[in-house]
Amino acid sequence: EAGVTQFPSHSVIEKGQTVTLRCDPISGHDNLYWYRRVMGKEIKFLLHFVKESKQDESGMPNNRFLAERTGGTYSTLKVQPAELEDSGVYFCASSQVLNSEQYFGPGTRLTVT
Amino acid sequence: KQEVTQIPAALSVPEGENLVLNCSFTDSAIYNLQWFRQDPGKGLTSLLLIQSSQREQTSGRLNASLDKSSGRSTLYIAASQPGDSATYLCAVSGYSTLTFGKGTMLLVSP
Repeated sequence: EAGVTQFPSHSVIEKGQTVTLRCDPISGHDNLYWYRRVMGKEIKFLLHFVKESKQDESGMPNNRFLAERTGGTYSTLKVQPAELEDSGVYFCASSQVLNSEQYFGPGTRLTVT
Repeated sequence: KQEVTQIPAALSVPEGENLVLNCSFTDSAIYNLQWFRQDPGKGLTSLLLIQSSQREQTSGRLNASLDKSSGRSTLYIAASQPGDSATYLCAVSGYSTLTFGKGTMLLVSP
């Protein structure tokens, strides 16, 4: 069974540009989560989808971040326009049911210059 | 607001030693606690999940305990091996989120 996959693995963009990150959860997992780790800090929660609905987006830093999960399968996280402080590693995770084990993808390393 | 602390931040041991990694959290109202390992440049690999009603979980050479009332968990690694070298992360589950500690960087030397 395939694990959580993320694309791209690494993205380097200039300040002011737009970047879209993609996450494919484990097949059959209704719950999908986005997390982020910025340099020197702990991994922090961004948002949680149940199927195509946003269950909790309390961790989204500001309105430059837009997450979607059309059709309840894969999810995208768009940053527009990107700022220097958005640099970090963005992780996606999925779980079969709420409060069960979360399985993480390899992450996307975003560098904003 | 939930806060998770992991001690020590880094640990270096010779191969074969038994070791304990510590995790503490401020809010005992958790659903579960998960231990992960992360290898450099890689994602997180789930090691153990302890439900809030459980006291411990075991997988191979790993044993994790949970004392919810005191806000503590430990990860015990028996007979450490160089392949155990990685960063170990503790995360506690709120309703839909995981709150992470900063991790313990473990180096096991041959």
